[in-house]
This record gives sequence, structure tokens and C-alpha cells, in this order.
Amino acid sequence: SQTIHQWPATLVQPVGSPLSLECTVEGTSNPNLYWYRQAAGRGLQLLFYSIGIDQISSEVPQNLSASRPQDRQFILSSKKLLLSDSGFYLCAWSPTTGGYGELFFGEGSRLTVL
Amino acid sequence: AQKITQTQPGMFVQEKEAVTLDCTYDTSDQSYGLFWYKQPSSGEMIFLIYQGSYDEQNATEGRYSLNFQKARKSANLVISASQLGDSAMYFCAMRERYTGNQFYFGTGTSLTVIP
Repeated sequence: SQTIHQWPATLVQPVGSPLSLECTVEGTSNPNLYWYRQAAGRGLQLLFYSIGIDQISSEVPQNLSASRPQDRQFILSSKKLLLSDSGFYLCAWSPTTGGYGELFFGEGSRLTVL
Repeated sequence: AQKITQTQPGMFVQEKEAVTLDCTYDTSDQSYGLFWYKQPSSGEMIFLIYQGSYDEQNATEGRYSLNFQKARKSANLVISASQLGDSAMYFCAMRERYTGNQFYFGTGTSLTVIP
């Protein structure tokens, strides 16, 4: 069966420090991959999605970047965090074939920038 | 314009009663999918139910059913026999064929089940 893991689960970082959140999917190949951010009490904001290795689309201009070095690995990064980067980050995947095409989410990473 | 609108920020329901969470959507595509997700306080997003735009029957999954009214562009979630564990945020989402990989989410409804 397919699983998705992301880490770290919780992160407290000072303003101006770098960020790296990692996500891996197991049990499937060539998934579509996504990074979402959820501010406290708010809905989900799509940050990046990827349909393949090194194929990444950015939805919101910001100081974040994403990379997909391997088929089932998706990394969210920042060189210098801002206070506004605080939030709950969710990695997700969807199958390219079969099923309903629904999103399957990781456990989430809670980032606090101080 | 908002692609997905959830107008109920918070809802309360008595345990064992049914509750309807509203969702309306906006699309000009003929082929799309509608999804509902549950987010408990732990933060994980849990897929509940799916409705395809060409499905003639309303989707059902256990105690969850989706009241799909295509002409009204609404996709309300009905939870029957509410349980305390149903207390969570609920998000409606849509995926269009022509935008392919994008999922549009509503702002969510917070459901509290009262014992």
C-alpha cells in the first residue's frame, strides 16, 4: 500500500534561518506531488506541485522553493525564513492513473518562525 | 472568484443526529471531481468521499454521503448519526480536468459534536 511521510513534524526556527522540509512517498511510482501551507484557522494554500522529477510549478511568489531530486521525494526549502512563513505545511500526493485522483496527505510539519 | 465556497465557519450537532456541511463550487469545466476531507486536531488531512461530475448518483461512504446538485453547483456533505470523533475541520475541494493537477480547497467548516 502507498504511504507518505514528511518530517520534521515540528520546527521552531529564527527569522533569517534556512528551512528544509522533506517528504517521501512509498508504494507508488511517478506520483504528482504537492506542498500546501495552512495558516492558523485557515484553508489550504497551494505552494508547489510537481508532475515529475525537476518539473515543479510554483503557485505563489515567495521566498520558498521546492525540489524533486527523485521520483518520490519532494523537498520544501527556504534560504531565509520570514515571520510570515509560520504555519502548518502539508505534503500530498495524487496518483497519475487510477482511483479518483484524490490527494493523500502526510502528517504535516508545524513551523514556527520567531 | 472563489472556486470553492464553504459558508459555515462553525457548526454544532448533537451526538447521534445528522448534520449537513455546505459547499458550493465554481467551474466552467464539464469534467471535474469533488472531494471532502476531514482534519482532526492532530492536523492530518483524511480523505472522506469523492463525487465525479458525471456520476448520476450521490456518493456514499459509510456514514458520509454527498448531496450533489449539479445545476446548483453544490456538493454538501451529510454526516449521519454523528459521533464525538466527528468533531474536526471539514474541507471541500475540487479538481478540474483542464487544470489537471490543481486542487482548490474551501476555507473549511469546524464541526463540534455535542454529547
